[in-house]
Amino acid sequence: DIQMTQSPSSLSASVGDRVTITCRASQDIGNDFGWYQQKSGKAPKRLLSGDSTLQSGSGTEFTLTLTSLQPEDFATYYCLQHNTYPFSFGQGTKLEIK
Amino acid sequence: QVQLVQSGAEVKEPGASVKLSCKASGYIFTSYFLHWVRQAPGQGLEWMGIINPIGDSTNYPQRFQGRIIMTTDTSSNTVYLEVSRLRSEDTAVYYCATGSRRSVEYWGQGTQVTVSS
Repeated sequence: DIQMTQSPSSLSASVGDRVTITCRASQDIGNDFGWYQQKSGKAPKRLLSGDSTLQSGSGTEFTLTLTSLQPEDFATYYCLQHNTYPFSFGQGTKLEIK
Repeated sequence: QVQLVQSGAEVKEPGASVKLSCKASGYIFTSYFLHWVRQAPGQGLEWMGIINPIGDSTNYPQRFQGRIIMTTDTSSNTVYLEVSRLRSEDTAVYYCATGSRRSVEYWGQGTQVTVSS
């Protein structure tokens, strides 16, 4: 099974900061990958490049950069590989206000 | 716009079964595979499996094999998840999801399942 390892698992930052979250796959998944934002009590939401985010990577390493954090960006972020069964999520990165 | 509307909350006793539904609209139902994902209280997201919308193929992680069944009804654009032999660890919010190329782009609102005696 493919393991998806996110780092960091938690992060404290301020409004206006730039932060980067990384997800590493235990084997090559090409570009069959996505980032999701989840706020407390809500369904996750797929993040598209340009939703105040920069997304890059392919193969085994992927990054999500949140440029100039806004109050609504404080949430938990997950990655998902949909290349090889069983599909798998990263363990999540909780982004908190400093 | 793609919408996935899930059935309401369920409370079940240990050992029982539960069948959840998820009705899709806003796209051609047979175009996208459908997933189920769950989230236990305070925990991360767990992928439970996928079904071809015409219902002729599924893939489940080994840990769920023999205990879950995914089905579809193309006449009503609905996907179902049945979980049997429920235990307390199955208490979670269950989400259906779909997207192109077997990705997860669109999510249902979630269904709370509570397993308690």
